[in-house]
Amino acid sequence: GAVVSQHPSWVICKSGTSVKIECRSLDFQATTMFWYRQFPKQSLMLMATSNEGSKATYEQGVEKDKFLINHASLTLSTLTVTSAHPEDSSFYICSAYHGERPYNEQFFGPGTRLTVL
Amino acid sequence: QKEVEQNSGPLSVPEGAIASLNCTYSDRGSQSFFWYRQYSGKSPELIMFIYSNGDKEDGRFTAQLNKASQYVSLLIRDSQPSDSATYLCAATQGGKLIFGQGTELSVKP
Repeated sequence: GAVVSQHPSWVICKSGTSVKIECRSLDFQATTMFWYRQFPKQSLMLMATSNEGSKATYEQGVEKDKFLINHASLTLSTLTVTSAHPEDSSFYICSAYHGERPYNEQFFGPGTRLTVL
Repeated sequence: QKEVEQNSGPLSVPEGAIASLNCTYSDRGSQSFFWYRQYSGKSPELIMFIYSNGDKEDGRFTAQLNKASQYVSLLIRDSQPSDSATYLCAATQGGKLIFGQGTELSVKP
């Protein structure tokens, strides 16, 4: 159990376009989901915490108007990269907090590789 | 100052040897600690977590936690080439996970 999916797994877009990434918890309800970004040879950097039915909490330095997060249901959170530019090219990974598991265990999706031309 | 620190490596060990990965953290309020393995181009996968001082064993993996020293380690016994990956240490902080920069492990046949 505790499977998290992401869609798409990879996307290539032109500079200036918007891209939406979906994160779904398949077999559990996730009141909290997290969005991370990972550049090559670097660790995961938390971008924002997404809570179902409320506004996301963004980490310092992350532009909330550029990275729109919507957590409309207990199984779905979306990240929209608006007006994407080449510097936004990265590996975006979501995770979901399984409320019934102790110790803040998070389950990670397979990631979405975004390339902005 | 980084909140979770790891040696970036690469750490190279021969097949069958013990690989030792280390991690320190700065927030004494952190309660739970996680070790993830990440293969190139893939998402992290959980190896194990630990929250009490001492050792926790799971198969070939042993996690060690010393809260007084703010130190977490992961031992991999009988290392296999398939263990070659980047190992990420993470600590909880205010409901979030703070990751170290990862240690690249290479197991040579």
